[in-house]
Amino acid sequence: GQNIDQPTEMTATEGAIVQINCTYQTSGFNGLFWYQQHAGEAPTFLSYNVLDGLEEKGRFSSFLSRSKGYSYLLLKELQMKDSASYLCAVMDDNYGQNFVFGPGTRLSVLP
Amino acid sequence: DVKVTQSSRYLVKRTGEKVFLECVQDMDHENMFWYRQDPGLGLRLIYFSYDVKMKEKGDIPEGYSVSREKKERFSLILESASTNQTSMYLCASSLSYTYEQYFGPGTRLTVT
Repeated sequence: GQNIDQPTEMTATEGAIVQINCTYQTSGFNGLFWYQQHAGEAPTFLSYNVLDGLEEKGRFSSFLSRSKGYSYLLLKELQMKDSASYLCAVMDDNYGQNFVFGPGTRLSVLP
Repeated sequence: DVKVTQSSRYLVKRTGEKVFLECVQDMDHENMFWYRQDPGLGLRLIYFSYDVKMKEKGDIPEGYSVSREKKERFSLILESASTNQTSMYLCASSLSYTYEQYFGPGTRLTVT
């Protein structure tokens, strides 16, 4: 089967660092995406990992371990505008390039 | 900038009606997707298309069909709307599978 788990909610303070974890169990794997979704808006792309390791992009970094079925999104120097839901998605190529999204993690950044 | 537009932001339909949701992208993307998003369940893929007239079922295709007659347009059809199809519907497009998806603003469909 296909299963992606993320914490439902997280809270952090402005200026801090937060790590959002994602674990997945899929029959196939052809990459993992992270998206950001502000309330009432469409998701927007943050990162893509297909090989093990860390990808850094400004204040955001994403890590992947394929052997552990595990990824995390690291947000540094948190800002109020980072309050949003963060969606983890796996491309499962055993199902004709099916995309499987996790339930999302709602992050609240407090002053 | 890639732009993905959806025909309606809000839609109210009655049970049993045939419903058409349209999506248009302006960046010549090969792939297009239809998702529904429900609280606690996240985004679930209904159908996707990798070329004109081509379609593949996602996780939850039951009760839905799609049409892609032109590259830029991907339509989602609810043959006979039911109350359990009340949801937020999101369309997306991407250049290829390993590229990011660009999402439209969504259509909030209510079936009464």
